Amino acid sequence: EVQLVQSGAEVKKPGESLKISCKGSGYSFTNYWIAWVRQMPGRGLEYMGIIYPGDAETRYSPSFQGQVTISADKSVSTAYLQWNSLNASDTAMYYCARSRVEGSGTYGHWGQGTLVTVSS
Amino acid sequence: EIVMTQSPATLSVSPGERATLSCRASQSVRSNIAWYQQKPGQAPRLLIYGASTRATDIPARFSGSGSGTEFTLTISSLQSEDFAVYYCQQYNNRPPTFGPGTIVDIK
Repeated sequence: EVQLVQSGAEVKKPGESLKISCKGSGYSFTNYWIAWVRQMPGRGLEYMGIIYPGDAETRYSPSFQGQVTISADKSVSTAYLQWNSLNASDTAMYYCARSRVEGSGTYGHWGQGTLVTVSS
Repeated sequence: EIVMTQSPATLSVSPGERATLSCRASQSVRSNIAWYQQKPGQAPRLLIYGASTRATDIPARFSGSGSGTEFTLTISSLQSEDFAVYYCQQYNNRPPTFGPGTIVDIK
């Protein structure tokens, strides 16, 4: 069974750094793209970027380029989303999602989400 | 970046009725569109890809159609578990983009 298990909720102060994780299991982690999707409170889904763990190729949505870093460690089948300096507008639920099939641009498997709250 | 719009913003439907949701792309995305369902407190679930192909384990009451810039998701007979938010997503161009969603609620 394909599973994506995300790290737990975080409460941070503005200016702090953060790295959240998404561990894949039940499939070959290196062969499927992993995307990160933001959902701000009461709002819709926003695609942030994507990584191919096999070769670490990463692509960012222009809206998020330079704001976050996406990475992966294939030795532990885990993808990461990282901020160097959080601000209040980063408060959101963050989902990781795996491509439905190899190379697909649709996401058939989702993590449970990580709630990030940034507040002074 | 391709902009996706969805209508209506909210659709009030009685159980057993048919629901028709629309999605429009700012330029052609061929048939490279997906539909997702999201219930409160849950992650999205893929319903349809390739504009009209149901994902694994999705009931036949869900169907998708369209190509180019105009797409439709139809739920033939709404069940209680179908009341949720529905998003379309294009994956023809980078970056992939989502529509703002349609809330399907109980009339």
